[in-house]
Amino acid sequence: NAGVTQTPKFQVLKTGQSMTLQCAQDMNHEYMSWYRQDPGMGLRLIHYSVGAGITDQGEVPNGYNVSRSTTEDFPLRLLSAAPSQTSVYFCASSYKQGYGYTFGSGTRLTVV
Amino acid sequence: GQSLEQPSEVTAVEGAIVQINCTYQTSGFYGLSWYQQHDGGAPTFLSYNALDGLEETGRFSSFLSRSDSYGYLLLQELQMKDSASYFCAVRSPGLMDSNYQLIWGAGTKLIIKP
Repeated sequence: NAGVTQTPKFQVLKTGQSMTLQCAQDMNHEYMSWYRQDPGMGLRLIHYSVGAGITDQGEVPNGYNVSRSTTEDFPLRLLSAAPSQTSVYFCASSYKQGYGYTFGSGTRLTVV
Repeated sequence: GQSLEQPSEVTAVEGAIVQINCTYQTSGFYGLSWYQQHDGGAPTFLSYNALDGLEETGRFSSFLSRSDSYGYLLLQELQMKDSASYFCAVRSPGLMDSNYQLIWGAGTKLIIKP
């Protein structure tokens, strides 16, 4: 049972480049979300989804897009990378929104 | 606004007991969660309290008092591997009637000395 799988684990982008962070879960969870975590800080919600075809913005959505075409996958797209987006990104899923999240191992992104 | 307050850092000795407090101010409350995060790792779910009282899971216990808007995580028989950051999070109503949201504290770094 893989849980939540995030790829890539590390990424360096140049300012202005775009990329997609992948997230997949095999637990049949309806709820999925993306967080960013900056050094010494807590988690900030970027986007979330309560089911296939349904997405919504979180606390810090600007510069990011998401889609949820299947229950399993919830990719996060950076439209035009900026140094302020240097962070660690975590994908999380749960069977019930706001309860018992399972996190992926994270993507460490550096924008230069 | 909505906020959770927890100490930024707590230091304890190996083998001892430590308590990490969390006070919250939110518009609505369904439950309080605790997560552990080791340096360089991902958060892992520890516990969830929806009702008042103490819940025990091995060396870890979590307490909730809804009337005081307060909870704590209790770690007993501390081991060096317990050195990590601990986050409290409140499950509360979301902006839409059918949604929920999880409001996170900033985390408490637990330092354990031999």
